[in-house]
Amino acid sequence: AIRMTQSPSSFSASTGDRVTITCRASQGISSYLAWYQQKPGKAPKLLIYAASTLQSGVPSRFSGSGSGTDFTLTISCLQSEDFATYYCQQYYSYPITFGPGTKVDIK
Amino acid sequence: EVQLVESGGGLVQPGRSLRLSCTASGFTFGDYAMSWFRQAPGKGLEWVGFIRSKAYGGTTEYAASVKGRFTISRDDSKSIAYLQMNSLKTEDTAVYYCTRESLWFGEWGSDYWGQGTLVTVSS
Repeated sequence: AIRMTQSPSSFSASTGDRVTITCRASQGISSYLAWYQQKPGKAPKLLIYAASTLQSGVPSRFSGSGSGTDFTLTISCLQSEDFATYYCQQYYSYPITFGPGTKVDIK
Repeated sequence: EVQLVESGGGLVQPGRSLRLSCTASGFTFGDYAMSWFRQAPGKGLEWVGFIRSKAYGGTTEYAASVKGRFTISRDDSKSIAYLQMNSLKTEDTAVYYCTRESLWFGEWGSDYWGQGTLVTVSS
């Protein structure tokens, strides 16, 4: 199975900050990477797929980049509603696997 | 509006069975693959399995942790996907989510998620 890692595991930030989360795959996955946002008690929400394609309806302050094994999710100007846990997911091969998550909370 | 509603969760004893349903609306169900994921309390997300649309053979894939115990099926006439869970273990305790799978540049990915249903396996 492809192992996904994320860094950092958690951090505190302020509204207006630019934040970057990194995700690394244990082997090359081309651009078959998605990012999800999850808030407590809620289902995950798709933000980005194919490493850099913004899902319809997702604010443009979210962006993704990378290919192969190294990927990033950037939030250009953190808003109050962005405090959540973010997961990367590879869908290049089965079993589909997720990173352990990055929790973004309020400083 | 795409909607996925899971049902069938609850408390079940180890070794018993449970069937979850995922009722879909707002899209042509038969055109899409469907997946199931789960999340144990306080833990991360885990893929459970996947069923392709009939156009792609209707075949299934499973995580090693559930293969041979869980079965995914679909009824396109009712727009429902099922997760049949047999020989349940305490470690199967989780919120179970169903998702719609769309083709993104040649590979299936989860674009819509249901709200989840809690399965608790305990004696």
